[in-house]
Amino acid sequence: GENVEQHPSTLSVQEGDSAVIKCTYSDSASNYFPWYKQELGKRPQLIIDIRSNVGEKKDQRIAVTLNKTAKHFSLHITETQPEDSAVYFCAASNALEYGNKLVFGAGTILRVKS
Amino acid sequence: DADVTQTPRNRITKTGKRIMLECSQTKGHDRMYWYRQDPGLGLRLIYYSFDVKDINKGEISDGYSVSRQAQAKFSLSLESAIPNQTALYFCATSDLQGQYFGPGTRLTVT
Repeated sequence: GENVEQHPSTLSVQEGDSAVIKCTYSDSASNYFPWYKQELGKRPQLIIDIRSNVGEKKDQRIAVTLNKTAKHFSLHITETQPEDSAVYFCAASNALEYGNKLVFGAGTILRVKS
Repeated sequence: DADVTQTPRNRITKTGKRIMLECSQTKGHDRMYWYRQDPGLGLRLIYYSFDVKDINKGEISDGYSVSRQAQAKFSLSLESAIPNQTALYFCATSDLQGQYFGPGTRLTVT
């Protein structure tokens, strides 16, 4: 089955700097890659996703890139702000075959220092 | 997201007790999921259901059972709770646009 690895496990950046979180996946049939943000004591919230027919997607200060050949995808946050501090999870699924049954990475704790 | 609710939000129980966690949704989604979250391990899938008559085991189903009472309701049971089932449990629903989580239930087994 699918296995998703996420790095780093913790990331500290200065406010205004960029943050990059990377994930690799094992199943070449996976074609849907969402990212979730979980603030302390809250539920995971979908912040951006990408499907395998595109290589990059942007939404304001966040972007996701996908390299299908290397089987990895990354989350990029620019101009970080204190409110970006949270745990971020990547996930992967073969959306066509399994609907939205996701396999998650272990998470990255992002701390933005002001 | 108030469209997915979970009860109870917090529960402390003793080893060997049976406990049920409930999930309700008003999104009209057919697909529902139960996950547990442990520090450093991310979210791991316990069970999932693609419609009322469809129940499937996830990667960590041992010690758990589920019931899909209706499209809107999906319950998770621990028949005989043990301390290593202490965790944060999330219910989720999905459509083609994504997966949406409930607020979570913090379960402590003493």
